[in-house]
Amino acid sequence: QVQLVQSGAEVKKPGASVKVSCKTFGYTFTAYYMHWVRQAPGQGPEWMGWINTYSGETKYAQKFRDSVTFTRDASASTAYMEVITLKSDDTAVFYCGRDGLNSVIDSWGQGTLVTVSS
Amino acid sequence: DIQMTQSPSTLSASVGDRVTITCRASQSIGSNLAWYQQKPGEAPKVLIYKASSLESGVPSRFSGSGSGTEFTLTISSLQPDDFATYYCQQYKSYSLSWTFGQGTKVDFK
Repeated sequence: QVQLVQSGAEVKKPGASVKVSCKTFGYTFTAYYMHWVRQAPGQGPEWMGWINTYSGETKYAQKFRDSVTFTRDASASTAYMEVITLKSDDTAVFYCGRDGLNSVIDSWGQGTLVTVSS
Repeated sequence: DIQMTQSPSTLSASVGDRVTITCRASQSIGSNLAWYQQKPGEAPKVLIYKASSLESGVPSRFSGSGSGTEFTLTISSLQPDDFATYYCQQYKSYSLSWTFGQGTKVDFK
């Protein structure tokens, strides 16, 4: 069955960077786009962008364009999301999500909590 | 970017109630709208796609309607498992940003 397994929680200082991984199982990794979504504590989900897992093409929400990079390793069926120059208001749960047959996010990772604190 | 506005923000209801949540888009998105359910500590789960199509495995008490800029999610008879937060999301085009609504929390009356 389809599974997305994300890397574990991280604690970072302001100004640092973080890289979250999303390893997939149970489907052909390169056949589906991958989205990334941020959810700050007590807030709704915020769409960050997608990566075409076949070509590597990316699309970012304007808010994240200068601070986030999506990459993938097709041989490892894994997608990555890196945030640079973290700020305290970047504290959030980050989710990866597969863009499914119906062009919606039909499978999600379990989420990775990134805490930014001095 | 396309803005999505949900109402109400909170809805108090009882088991067996019919519940309706509204989502408005700042410009026409056709039928490119999904509804998600999220419970505390969990990832969102898709309920409806293409405004009115039921995701596989989702109970038939959930339904969606609308097109253009006005959409609704209806739960025909609220069940205990349905107390959660619901979000709409537009996905008009892969060349544009996707957007979530701010959410509607359904809690016990």
